[in-house]
Amino acid sequence: AQSVTQPDIHITVSEGASLELRCNYSYGATPYLFWYVQSPGQGLQLLLKYFSGDTLVQGIKGFEAEFKRSQSSFNLRKPSVHWSDAAEYFCAVGVTGGGNKLTFGTGTQLKVEL
Amino acid sequence: DVKVTQSSRYLVKRTGEKVFLECVQDMDHENMFWYRQDPGLGLRLIYFSYDVKMKEKGDIPEGYSVSREKKERFSLILESASTNQTSMYLCASSSGTGGWSNQPQHFGDGTRLSIL
Repeated sequence: AQSVTQPDIHITVSEGASLELRCNYSYGATPYLFWYVQSPGQGLQLLLKYFSGDTLVQGIKGFEAEFKRSQSSFNLRKPSVHWSDAAEYFCAVGVTGGGNKLTFGTGTQLKVEL
Repeated sequence: DVKVTQSSRYLVKRTGEKVFLECVQDMDHENMFWYRQDPGLGLRLIYFSYDVKMKEKGDIPEGYSVSREKKERFSLILESASTNQTSMYLCASSSGTGGWSNQPQHFGDGTRLSIL
């Protein structure tokens, strides 16, 4: 079965600094990969997705992620963080024939210092 | 935009009660899902449905059941609520048929359920 690891539970960055959130997955073939963001008291909003093709994908709110097959990683990046980016971020993996089910990581809580 | 609406944002119930959580989506999506979210555990899939009247168990179905009588509505039922079911419950939907879709899931705002 597939699995997702987000090794950082909490991350704090200063506003304007760059950000990288780590995500590693375990699956034998190429998975479908997603990043979601959850603001306090809200549901999850899709930031970006990777299915195939170009390994660098662009998302909403200035986020991007890079799929690296050799490292089984799909890290999320943003060049300059804004205070409004403070939220919890979830990486998720789906698999071919998996019936559109997703397996989620445990999340990374991002704090932005002004 | 896809709209997934959960009937209650906050709900307080007592141990042993039968609890219904309702979810409605307005995009004619085939697939619907129920998750629970607990700190440090991420999202865990309770049940999902690919079609009306169809349901499949997720990773943690014990103590729960579901109903999907209409395509747009997916209900989660706690047959006899217990304190360990206090949690945030999230509903999601996605397009795609036959259970082979790779389309992203769209989420409601969640129901925070407390069982006293």
